[in-house]
Amino acid sequence: GAVVSQHPSRVICKSGTSVKIECRSLDFQATTMFWYRQFPKQSLMLMATSNEGSKATYEQGVEKDKFLINHASLTLSTLTVTSAHPEDSSFYICSAIQGGGYNEQFFGPGTRLTVL
Amino acid sequence: QKEVEQNSGPLSVPEGAIASLNCTYSDRVSQSFFWYRQYSGKSPELIMSIYSNGDKEDGRFTAQLNKASQYVSLLIRDSQPSDSATYLCAVNPDTGRRALTFGSGTRLQVQP
Repeated sequence: GAVVSQHPSRVICKSGTSVKIECRSLDFQATTMFWYRQFPKQSLMLMATSNEGSKATYEQGVEKDKFLINHASLTLSTLTVTSAHPEDSSFYICSAIQGGGYNEQFFGPGTRLTVL
Repeated sequence: QKEVEQNSGPLSVPEGAIASLNCTYSDRVSQSFFWYRQYSGKSPELIMSIYSNGDKEDGRFTAQLNKASQYVSLLIRDSQPSDSATYLCAVNPDTGRRALTFGSGTRLQVQP
């Protein structure tokens, strides 16, 4: 159990285009999902908390108009990187909490974004 | 001061030895503690969770928590080359947010 999928696994796009990344909990319902970004040789940086049916909560320094998050159902959250630039190239990883009070987070396999 | 601190390593141990990974955290009210393993180019994988003081064992892994000293550790017995990865310590500050705070990770190298 506790399987989280992401799509696509890898994407290359031109500067100025938008990219949508999907995160799905496959065998459980996730009221809360998280989006992280990880640059090479650095640790995970939380970007935002995605809550089903409500607005996402963004971390300080993360532009909400650039990184659009939608959590329309209990099994799906999407992250759209709008007007992507080369500095947005990174490894984007989502995670979901399975449930209960212990906050065990299970991560998706990640999406490697390269902006040319 | 970082909220969750780990030695970046690399920590190098011979195959079959015990690897000891340590983590300290700054927020005394933290309640939930996790160890994740991350292979290069992959996403983190949950190894252990621990919520109360003492030891918790799962196979070759033992997590140890000492809330009074604000540290949590992970022991890997009979280390294998396949254990070579970066190990991330994560803490839930229990401030009402459910997000975890991650350390920067310790890179473990198990020498065959």
